[in-house]
Amino acid sequence: EPEVTQTPSHQVTQMGQEVILRCVPISNHLYFYWYRQILGQKVEFLVSFYNNEISEKSEIFDDQFSVERPDGSNFTLKIRSTKLEDSAMYFCASSDTTSLWETQYFGPGTRLLVL
Amino acid sequence: AQSVSQHNHHVILSEAASLELGCNYSYGGTVNLFWYVQYPGQHLQLLLKYFSGDPLVKGIKGFEAEFIKSKFSFNLRKPSVQWSDTAEYFCAVNAHNAGNMLTFGGGTRLMVKP
Repeated sequence: EPEVTQTPSHQVTQMGQEVILRCVPISNHLYFYWYRQILGQKVEFLVSFYNNEISEKSEIFDDQFSVERPDGSNFTLKIRSTKLEDSAMYFCASSDTTSLWETQYFGPGTRLLVL
Repeated sequence: AQSVSQHNHHVILSEAASLELGCNYSYGGTVNLFWYVQYPGQHLQLLLKYFSGDPLVKGIKGFEAEFIKSKFSFNLRKPSVQWSDTAEYFCAVNAHNAGNMLTFGGGTRLMVKP
Protein backbone atom coordinates (compact mmCIF):
# COMPACT_ATOMS: atom_id res chain seq x y z
CA GLU A 1 0.00 0.00 0.00
CA PRO A 2 1.41 3.42 -0.91
CA GLU A 3 2.53 5.52 2.03
CA VAL A 4 3.56 9.07 2.77
CA THR A 5 7.22 9.21 3.69
CA GLN A 6 9.11 11.90 5.58
CA THR A 7 12.77 12.69 6.10
CA PRO A 8 14.56 13.05 8.36
CA SER A 9 12.90 11.13 11.16
CA HIS A 10 14.69 13.30 13.73
CA GLN A 11 16.34 16.70 13.44
CA VAL A 12 18.20 18.66 16.07
CA THR A 13 19.02 22.27 15.33
CA GLN A 14 20.18 25.42 17.03
CA MET A 15 17.79 28.29 17.62
CA GLY A 16 17.88 30.72 14.70
CA GLN A 17 18.90 28.10 12.15
CA GLU A 18 16.87 27.22 9.09
CA VAL A 19 15.44 23.73 8.74
CA ILE A 20 13.78 22.00 5.84
CA LEU A 21 11.51 19.06 6.47
CA ARG A 22 10.84 16.81 3.54
CA CYS A 23 7.85 14.75 2.55
CA VAL A 24 7.02 12.50 -0.35
CA PRO A 25 3.22 12.34 -0.64
CA ILE A 26 1.37 9.41 -2.17
CA SER A 27 2.03 9.63 -5.88
CA ASN A 28 -1.42 10.35 -7.32
CA HIS A 29 -2.52 12.67 -4.54
CA LEU A 30 -3.14 16.34 -5.20
CA TYR A 31 -3.62 17.91 -1.77
CA PHE A 32 -0.77 18.19 0.68
CA TYR A 33 -0.74 19.22 4.30
CA TRP A 34 1.53 19.91 7.23
CA TYR A 35 0.49 19.43 10.83
CA ARG A 36 2.49 19.58 14.01
CA GLN A 37 2.19 18.19 17.50
CA ILE A 38 4.03 19.83 20.34
CA LEU A 39 4.78 17.31 23.06
CA GLY A 40 1.72 16.78 25.22
CA GLN A 41 -0.53 18.89 23.01
CA LYS A 42 -3.00 18.32 20.19
CA VAL A 43 -2.11 17.73 16.57
CA GLU A 44 -2.52 21.17 14.95
CA PHE A 45 -3.06 22.09 11.32
CA LEU A 46 -0.40 24.31 9.76
CA VAL A 47 -1.05 24.57 6.05
CA SER A 48 -2.63 22.92 3.03
CA PHE A 49 -1.32 23.10 -0.51
CA TYR A 50 -2.99 22.45 -3.82
CA ASN A 51 -2.12 23.23 -7.40
CA ASN A 52 1.23 24.72 -6.41
CA GLU A 53 -0.14 27.21 -3.97
CA ILE A 54 -1.23 27.46 -0.38
CA SER A 55 -4.97 26.84 -0.11
CA GLU A 56 -5.27 27.39 3.65
CA LYS A 57 -3.03 28.20 6.56
CA SER A 58 -3.47 28.52 10.28
CA GLU A 59 -2.38 31.31 12.59
CA ILE A 60 0.65 29.22 13.49
CA PHE A 61 1.91 29.38 9.91
CA ASP A 62 3.52 32.79 10.08
CA ASP A 63 6.21 34.36 7.91
CA GLN A 64 8.85 32.05 9.37
CA PHE A 65 7.22 29.12 7.60
CA SER A 66 7.05 28.33 3.93
CA VAL A 67 6.10 25.35 1.82
CA GLU A 68 7.21 24.28 -1.59
CA ARG A 69 6.78 21.50 -4.07
CA PRO A 70 10.16 21.73 -5.74
CA ASP A 71 9.56 18.81 -8.08
CA GLY A 72 6.92 16.25 -8.92
CA SER A 73 7.39 14.18 -5.81
CA ASN A 74 8.65 16.22 -2.85
CA PHE A 75 6.76 18.59 -0.60
CA THR A 76 8.83 20.60 1.86
CA LEU A 77 8.26 22.71 4.95
CA LYS A 78 10.89 25.33 5.69
CA ILE A 79 11.29 27.13 8.96
CA ARG A 80 13.56 30.11 8.32
CA SER A 81 14.74 30.93 11.82
CA THR A 82 13.79 28.29 14.31
CA LYS A 83 12.62 29.12 17.81
CA LEU A 84 12.57 26.93 20.87
CA GLU A 85 8.79 26.68 20.61
CA ASP A 86 9.07 25.15 17.13
CA SER A 87 10.18 21.92 18.79
CA ALA A 88 7.48 19.42 17.84
CA MET A 89 6.62 16.42 15.73
CA TYR A 90 5.79 17.57 12.22
CA PHE A 91 3.45 15.43 10.16
CA CYS A 92 2.96 15.59 6.43
CA ALA A 93 -0.28 14.31 4.90
CA SER A 94 -1.77 13.98 1.45
CA SER A 95 -5.20 13.33 0.05
CA ASP A 96 -6.65 12.19 -3.21
CA THR A 97 -8.10 13.79 -6.30
CA THR A 98 -10.90 16.25 -6.61
CA SER A 99 -12.81 16.11 -3.36
CA LEU A 100 -11.74 18.35 -0.53
CA TRP A 101 -13.28 15.90 1.86
CA GLU A 102 -11.13 12.91 1.08
CA THR A 103 -9.21 11.03 3.72
CA GLN A 104 -5.85 12.47 4.61
CA TYR A 105 -3.01 9.95 4.82
CA PHE A 106 -0.24 10.79 7.22
CA GLY A 107 3.48 10.23 7.17
CA PRO A 108 5.49 8.98 10.16
CA GLY A 109 6.55 12.45 11.20
CA THR A 110 9.79 14.35 11.76
CA ARG A 111 10.69 15.08 15.34
CA LEU A 112 12.29 18.51 15.45
CA LEU A 113 14.22 19.63 18.50
CA VAL A 114 15.39 23.23 18.68
CA LEU A 115 18.12 23.91 21.23
CA ALA B 1 -13.96 27.65 14.90
CA GLN B 2 -14.56 23.99 15.45
CA SER B 3 -13.03 22.09 18.36
CA VAL B 4 -12.82 18.44 19.30
CA SER B 5 -12.79 16.97 22.79
CA GLN B 6 -11.72 13.54 23.84
CA HIS B 7 -12.56 13.20 27.48
CA ASN B 8 -10.54 10.12 28.27
CA HIS B 9 -6.84 10.85 28.17
CA HIS B 10 -5.70 7.45 29.37
CA VAL B 11 -7.63 4.18 29.38
CA ILE B 12 -6.37 0.87 30.73
CA LEU B 13 -8.28 -2.30 29.91
CA SER B 14 -7.74 -6.01 30.15
CA GLU B 15 -7.91 -8.13 27.04
CA ALA B 16 -11.46 -9.02 25.97
CA ALA B 17 -12.93 -5.98 27.71
CA SER B 18 -15.20 -3.71 25.73
CA LEU B 19 -13.99 -0.29 24.68
CA GLU B 20 -15.73 3.00 24.17
CA LEU B 21 -13.77 6.19 23.60
CA GLY B 22 -15.65 9.44 23.64
CA CYS B 23 -15.36 12.18 21.04
CA ASN B 24 -17.40 15.37 20.96
CA TYR B 25 -17.05 18.23 18.57
CA SER B 26 -18.37 21.74 18.52
CA TYR B 27 -19.59 22.84 15.12
CA GLY B 28 -23.16 23.29 13.97
CA GLY B 29 -22.77 22.57 10.28
CA THR B 30 -21.95 19.56 8.15
CA VAL B 31 -18.88 17.65 9.19
CA ASN B 32 -16.76 14.71 8.22
CA LEU B 33 -15.52 12.67 11.16
CA PHE B 34 -12.48 10.47 11.51
CA TRP B 35 -10.75 8.23 13.97
CA TYR B 36 -7.03 7.77 13.53
CA VAL B 37 -4.81 5.38 15.47
CA GLN B 38 -1.12 5.66 16.19
CA TYR B 39 0.55 2.44 17.27
CA PRO B 40 3.81 2.78 19.20
CA GLY B 41 6.55 3.98 16.86
CA GLN B 42 4.24 4.19 13.87
CA HIS B 43 2.43 6.93 11.98
CA LEU B 44 -1.18 7.99 12.19
CA GLN B 45 -3.40 5.50 10.39
CA LEU B 46 -7.04 5.87 9.47
CA LEU B 47 -9.25 3.60 11.54
CA LEU B 48 -12.61 4.69 10.14
CA LYS B 49 -14.46 7.70 8.80
CA TYR B 50 -17.94 9.11 8.48
CA PHE B 51 -18.92 11.29 5.54
CA SER B 52 -22.66 10.67 5.15
CA GLY B 53 -25.28 7.94 5.23
CA ASP B 54 -25.47 5.26 7.92
CA PRO B 55 -24.32 6.89 11.15
CA LEU B 56 -22.85 3.60 12.35
CA VAL B 57 -19.58 3.11 10.54
CA LYS B 58 -17.34 0.11 10.68
CA GLY B 59 -13.60 0.34 10.38
CA ILE B 60 -10.60 -1.90 10.40
CA LYS B 61 -9.71 -4.37 13.14
CA GLY B 62 -13.25 -4.66 14.49
CA PHE B 63 -13.67 -1.01 15.41
CA GLU B 64 -16.86 0.92 14.83
CA ALA B 65 -18.10 4.40 15.60
CA GLU B 66 -21.50 5.98 15.81
CA PHE B 67 -22.26 9.52 14.71
CA ILE B 68 -24.99 11.04 16.87
CA LYS B 69 -25.67 14.42 15.36
CA SER B 70 -27.91 15.62 18.19
CA LYS B 71 -25.11 14.98 20.68
CA PHE B 72 -22.27 16.18 18.43
CA SER B 73 -20.59 12.91 19.21
CA PHE B 74 -18.63 10.26 17.33
CA ASN B 75 -17.66 7.64 19.88
CA LEU B 76 -15.37 4.78 19.00
CA ARG B 77 -16.22 1.27 20.13
CA LYS B 78 -14.84 -2.21 20.05
CA PRO B 79 -16.60 -5.11 21.75
CA SER B 80 -13.46 -7.01 22.74
CA VAL B 81 -10.02 -5.41 22.77
CA GLN B 82 -6.73 -7.17 22.21
CA TRP B 83 -3.26 -6.43 23.50
CA SER B 84 -2.36 -5.29 19.96
CA ASP B 85 -4.90 -2.46 20.25
CA THR B 86 -2.54 -0.65 22.60
CA ALA B 87 -2.09 2.68 20.87
CA GLU B 88 -3.12 6.31 20.91
CA TYR B 89 -6.46 7.11 19.31
CA PHE B 90 -7.31 10.47 17.79
CA CYS B 91 -10.69 11.79 16.80
CA ALA B 92 -10.67 14.43 14.05
CA VAL B 93 -13.25 16.63 12.37
CA ASN B 94 -13.34 18.36 9.04
CA ALA B 95 -16.00 21.04 8.94
CA HIS B 96 -17.40 21.63 5.49
CA ASN B 97 -17.12 25.38 5.59
CA ALA B 98 -13.65 25.38 7.11
CA GLY B 99 -11.74 24.19 4.10
CA ASN B 100 -9.87 20.95 4.18
CA MET B 101 -8.11 21.20 7.51
CA LEU B 102 -8.56 18.53 10.15
CA THR B 103 -9.14 19.55 13.74
CA PHE B 104 -7.92 16.90 16.16
CA GLY B 105 -8.89 15.97 19.66
CA GLY B 106 -6.21 15.58 22.27
CA GLY B 107 -5.94 11.83 21.84
CA THR B 108 -6.67 8.90 24.13
CA ARG B 109 -3.84 6.62 25.10
CA LEU B 110 -5.16 3.07 25.39
CA MET B 111 -3.22 0.36 27.17
CA VAL B 112 -4.51 -3.19 26.96
CA LYS B 113 -3.11 -5.55 29.56
CA PRO B 114 -2.59 -9.11 28.38
